[in-house]
Amino acid sequence: GAGVSQSPSNKVTEKGKDVELRCDPISGHTALYWYRQSLGQGLEFLIYFQGNSAPDKSGLPSDRFSAERTGGSVSTLTIQRTQQEDSAVYLCASSLYPRGEGETQYFGPGTRLLVL
Amino acid sequence: AQSVAQPEDQVNVAEGNPLTVKCTYSVSGNPYLFWYVQYPNRGLQFLLKYITGDNLVKGSYGFEAEFNKSQTSFHLKKPSALVSDSALYFCAVRDRGGGYNKLIFGAGTRLAVHP
Repeated sequence: GAGVSQSPSNKVTEKGKDVELRCDPISGHTALYWYRQSLGQGLEFLIYFQGNSAPDKSGLPSDRFSAERTGGSVSTLTIQRTQQEDSAVYLCASSLYPRGEGETQYFGPGTRLLVL
Repeated sequence: AQSVAQPEDQVNVAEGNPLTVKCTYSVSGNPYLFWYVQYPNRGLQFLLKYITGDNLVKGSYGFEAEFNKSQTSFHLKKPSALVSDSALYFCAVRDRGGGYNKLIFGAGTRLAVHP
């Protein structure tokens, strides 16, 4: 079956520009996560969506970062006024979410963002 | 605070030899533990997880991991390494309590299998 897909696969932008990254989770998965992978910080959690609940935004590094999930499926991560330190691979994951059990998160291929 | 440690930046092993990639964790309560593998320019692929039950967990591609509660470890193992196993391996933990749903990752260990 189809896995998690992300677009674009690569994005080069100029400092100060806004970018949007898209994630299509596995069909039927109610939970969606964004992570960032960078050389200096490793893999870090950004934001988590579960159904219609308020998202957990505790990992967003600044107010320039925001995300939304429309219709409980596709998600968009937006970075406003990009900075060079935003350069990283942005990974999206999805999972079934039976509460109290150990759901497995399945990751997409990532979007490699380079801010010049 | 929850944390995961992968003490080795890189592990080198000859093809056909057994391999071990180490992971220790620190969480409040009982952990859910995961191993993922990342090939160049690819996302993370799930290998295996420990939730409860048998301490020895078997996963994809012949990998297995042993949960050791007393040593708070979850080392990844394979009896006979292949060159194609060369990749970046991540250990991760999710706390079972408190409603946390994010994964805390270790820094990763690069496995190099030499012919």
